[in-house]
Amino acid sequence: SQTIHQWPATLVQPVGSPLSLECTVEGTSNPNLYWYRQAAGRGLQLLFYSVGIGQISSEVPQNLSASRPQDRQFILSSKKLLLSDSGFYLCAWSRLGTGSSPLHFGNGTRLTVT
Amino acid sequence: AQSVAQPEDQVNVAEGNPLTVKCTYSVSGNPYLFWYVQYPNRGLQFLLKYITGDNLVKGSYGFEAEFNKSQTSFHLKKPSALVSDSALYFCAVRGGGSSNTGKLIFGQGTTLQVKP
Repeated sequence: SQTIHQWPATLVQPVGSPLSLECTVEGTSNPNLYWYRQAAGRGLQLLFYSVGIGQISSEVPQNLSASRPQDRQFILSSKKLLLSDSGFYLCAWSRLGTGSSPLHFGNGTRLTVT
Repeated sequence: AQSVAQPEDQVNVAEGNPLTVKCTYSVSGNPYLFWYVQYPNRGLQFLLKYITGDNLVKGSYGFEAEFNKSQTSFHLKKPSALVSDSALYFCAVRGGGSSNTGKLIFGQGTTLQVKP
């Protein structure tokens, strides 16, 4: 069966510090991968998605970036965090090229920028 | 542009009563529709989906949803609510043209509160 791992679960970082959140998927190949941010426990904002290694699409201009160094690894980064980067970050995967495939989410990372 | 609307921020229902969480959508082409549930400080869990066929789809934990093409709606329902159903519910849509990237557009979420 497929599983998705996301870490860390919680993170407190000072303004201006770097960020690296990691997500890995097991039990499937060539997944679509996504990073979402959820603010104030409500709506989800799609930040980045990837349909293959090294292929990253950005949905919202900001100081975050994403990378996909391996097929089932997706990394969210920042060189300098802002207060507005605080939120709940969710990684997800779906089957490539299948419109009917649901997204499967990790348990999220709660980021607090102080 | 694709969009999803969940018109109610919160739905309150007594345990044992039927529940409905509303969702309307706007996409080009045939929609792929999904419902998710989120418990506090957790990721979203997939409940059910509509792709094609029967307008009433059944999912996890006794939930079902009814697709209505003329009203562009996909309401989530359950015949008898449980206190443990209390959570945040998201409706999501994917238009037929975005099948390769698989991007889902989510509604703003509806908090379901089931009281004993």
